[in-house]
Amino acid sequence: NAGVTQTPKFQVLKTGQSMTLQCAQDMNHNSMYWYRQDPGMGLRLIYYSASEGTTDKGEVPNGYNVSRLNKREFSLRLESAAPSQTSVYFCASSLLGGLSNEKLFFGSGTQLSVL
Amino acid sequence: DAKTTQPPSMDCAEGRAANLPCNHSTISGNEYVYWYRQIHSQGPQYIIHGLKNNETNEMASLIITEDRKSSTLILPHATLRDTAVYYCIVRTYTGNQFYFGTGTSLTVIP
Repeated sequence: NAGVTQTPKFQVLKTGQSMTLQCAQDMNHNSMYWYRQDPGMGLRLIYYSASEGTTDKGEVPNGYNVSRLNKREFSLRLESAAPSQTSVYFCASSLLGGLSNEKLFFGSGTQLSVL
Repeated sequence: DAKTTQPPSMDCAEGRAANLPCNHSTISGNEYVYWYRQIHSQGPQYIIHGLKNNETNEMASLIITEDRKSSTLILPHATLRDTAVYYCIVRTYTGNQFYFGTGTSLTVIP
């Protein structure tokens, strides 16, 4: 099993450009998440999807859109990238969601720089 | 949502036990305490979680106080590979959200 796979691993954008970060999991998990991590800081939740067909905002959703394409895939889109979106982005998944005794499984991250 | 408070950094001698504290004084009765760690810039890795009782697995032990307002993660014999940022998280029961704070940066010293 690959677990949670993110693509690309690195990306450099110019201000105003758009791009989509891809995430796929092969663990048959229902819930998926997107986090960002700025230098020296903890992870902040951008969006999450409790189940296929649903998405909800997290702490820092502004400037992002998400799509839960199917049960396996959850993408994050930056429509018009800004330097403030320079960060490392992590995708995660969990089995059921909404329960207190669940574990998150993380991908290896995408390092994004916006110039 | 219950918030957590952790010291920003700690040192531990190699081979000794590392005891990482966490305060979660507003925790609700049905909320679990989770611990994750992040090595360099990798994705966080699950360590352990618990509700009321102390828990132990192959990686660590989790001690939760009787009033559940604080907990301690114990790495019994710290190695250099345990150098990482450790996050204490309280899982919200009503939502699907894990909120990470800034964690404790643990440095294991040879």
